[in-house]
Amino acid sequence: QLQLQESGSGLVKPSQTLSLTCAVSGGSISSGGYSWSWIRQAPGKGLEWIGYIYHSGTSYYNPSLKSRVTMSVDRSNNQFSLKLTSVTAADTAVYYCVRNNPFDVWGQGTMVTVSS
Amino acid sequence: EIVLTQSPGTLSLSPGERATLSCRASQSVRGNYLAWYQQKPGQAPRLLIYSASSRATGIPDRFSGSGSGTDFTLTISRLEPEDFAVYYCQQHGSSPWTFGQGTKVEIK
Repeated sequence: QLQLQESGSGLVKPSQTLSLTCAVSGGSISSGGYSWSWIRQAPGKGLEWIGYIYHSGTSYYNPSLKSRVTMSVDRSNNQFSLKLTSVTAADTAVYYCVRNNPFDVWGQGTMVTVSS
Repeated sequence: EIVLTQSPGTLSLSPGERATLSCRASQSVRGNYLAWYQQKPGQAPRLLIYSASSRATGIPDRFSGSGSGTDFTLTISRLEPEDFAVYYCQQHGSSPWTFGQGTKVEIK
């Protein structure tokens, strides 16, 4: 059974870079033609799609975040990653990695707090 | 960007009752690529419905989706205690993919 697990920095200082990785287990990130997304949810708020990436490295980002987002894929380690630069308190959220089919498999989520 | 507006914001019902949730799009959803998710406190969302009316794997048949174009509905035929949660609609027909703001189904 496919499982996703987020990891990374839980506390980031304002203006710094948020970095998260999603480890995929129970299946290959390269199989099935799927793309892989990051989605976030600020405390008490709704869901915001950040962007997606294919195993080939082709990516698409939400225009609202595009200037600050970079996604990458590491096929050898079956994982993909998110970097978000110049963070502010508004980027405080639970970050989920998800398989797009549409969003049928979710990680448990990881809380990232932006604070000095 | 397609804006999805869900109504009502909160639905207060009793177990066994029928729940009807609405999702209206600011423009037509291409391919009717509209999905519904359920989220309980402290948990990741769970896919219920995709392509407007297809149930995801393992989803009970009391959940059904309908609609096309700009108007979509999620119906829970008879609420079970575990169904009280927040429900989100989401479109993936046009980038950027967007979510509605959610409908909370609470126990009356």
